Amino acid sequence: EIVLTQSPGTLSLSTGERATLSCRASETLSGSYIAWYQQRPGQAPRLLIYAASTRAAGIPDRFSGSGSGTDFTLTIERMEPEDFAVYYCHQYRTSRSFGQGTKVEIK
Amino acid sequence: QVQLVQSGADMKNPGASVKVSCETSGYTFKGNYIHWVRQAPGQGLEWMGWINPNSGGTNFAQNFQGRVSMTRDPSISTVYMELRNLRYDDTAIYYCAREGRLTVTDRDAFDIWGQGTLVTVSS
Repeated sequence: EIVLTQSPGTLSLSTGERATLSCRASETLSGSYIAWYQQRPGQAPRLLIYAASTRAAGIPDRFSGSGSGTDFTLTIERMEPEDFAVYYCHQYRTSRSFGQGTKVEIK
Repeated sequence: QVQLVQSGADMKNPGASVKVSCETSGYTFKGNYIHWVRQAPGQGLEWMGWINPNSGGTNFAQNFQGRVSMTRDPSISTVYMELRNLRYDDTAIYYCAREGRLTVTDRDAFDIWGQGTLVTVSS
């Protein structure tokens, strides 16, 4: 099973700041089979990024994904109030698995 | 629009079984795999398995093999997930999620999610 490790566990930021979230895979994800989801309290996850760097439909361009191999990053430029949430990375190269999540909270 | 609508919350005793439904609409039912993901209270996401609505074929995470089944009824565009021999730590929100056709590869991310179904295991 491919294990995804996200860091940091919690990120404290102010509105307008940049968020940088990391996801490291236990083995190489050739083909960039990585996605990122946002989950707000009481809601289902929402797809933000797929194929490591492609924004899903309707996702603002302040969200971007990058990386390859075993190291992937989600960047949120200029945090908006609605962006404070939990973010999960997800690999779909071999079976499926999720990282443990990064909570982005208001400082 | 594309939607996945799940059945309502349920409470079961330990050792019982639960069956959660996921009604799809707004797209061709047989065109996309449906996955099930669960989330224990205050915890992260755990993938359980998938069903191919076209063939009925399934694939389950090792943690659930022998205890889970996934079926579908094409006549009403609905998939089902049944979990047997429930334990207290099966208390969770269970989500169905559609695997998108976002790229030309043979597998993809989950582009549409159901609203979730809370299953509580309690005596």
